[in-house]
Amino acid sequence: GDSVTQMEGPVTLSEEAFLTINCTYTATGYPSLFWYVQYPGEGLQLLLKATKADDKGSNKGFEATYRKETTSFHLEKGSVQVSDSAVYFCALSAPGGSNYKLTFGKGTLLTVNP
Amino acid sequence: NAGVTQTPKFQVLKTGQSMTLQCAQDMNHNSMYWYRQDPGMGLRLIYYSASEGTTDKGEVPNGYNVSRLNKREFSLRLESAAPSQTSVYFCASREIGQAQPQHFGDGTRLSIL
Repeated sequence: GDSVTQMEGPVTLSEEAFLTINCTYTATGYPSLFWYVQYPGEGLQLLLKATKADDKGSNKGFEATYRKETTSFHLEKGSVQVSDSAVYFCALSAPGGSNYKLTFGKGTLLTVNP
Repeated sequence: NAGVTQTPKFQVLKTGQSMTLQCAQDMNHNSMYWYRQDPGMGLRLIYYSASEGTTDKGEVPNGYNVSRLNKREFSLRLESAAPSQTSVYFCASREIGQAQPQHFGDGTRLSIL
């Protein structure tokens, strides 16, 4: 079945450091890929998405590139801020009948210290 | 534009009590979902409704029931609450289409004593 594997956290960085959160997936066909962010006490918000191979999703300084050859969708940001502290979820939407549902990774907690 | 609205935001129950969590979306989405989020477990799908008039079980349906009241509303019922159901519950909605994202509510924090 479909699955998403994220690097385990927590990840702790200093402000202005470079961020990478790894995400790999298993799915049949060509899924759509998403990154969500969850700030403390809130629901999940869509951060970015990519729908086909080599697409790059970007938002708020975050980027992720859909790599079909490595089945990966790693999240990156060049310079993190304290306000980026949150839990980040990678997710996929598989083609075909199962596309009613998203498959989520377990989430990665990021803490950014001043 | 409210998006996905969940009520209540917080609730404390005693073991054996029943409760209904409400969810409404104003984006005219066809599909709606209920998840629970526990520490270290990520999100787990309880039930979903692909379209008005249909509901299906997710990963962890035991102890829950759902009703898709109309296109806007999707409720989750705990008939006899148990401490293992202490969790944060999220409702989400989504338009049909592989590239469509889910939109989440702010959650209901439920404690069962």
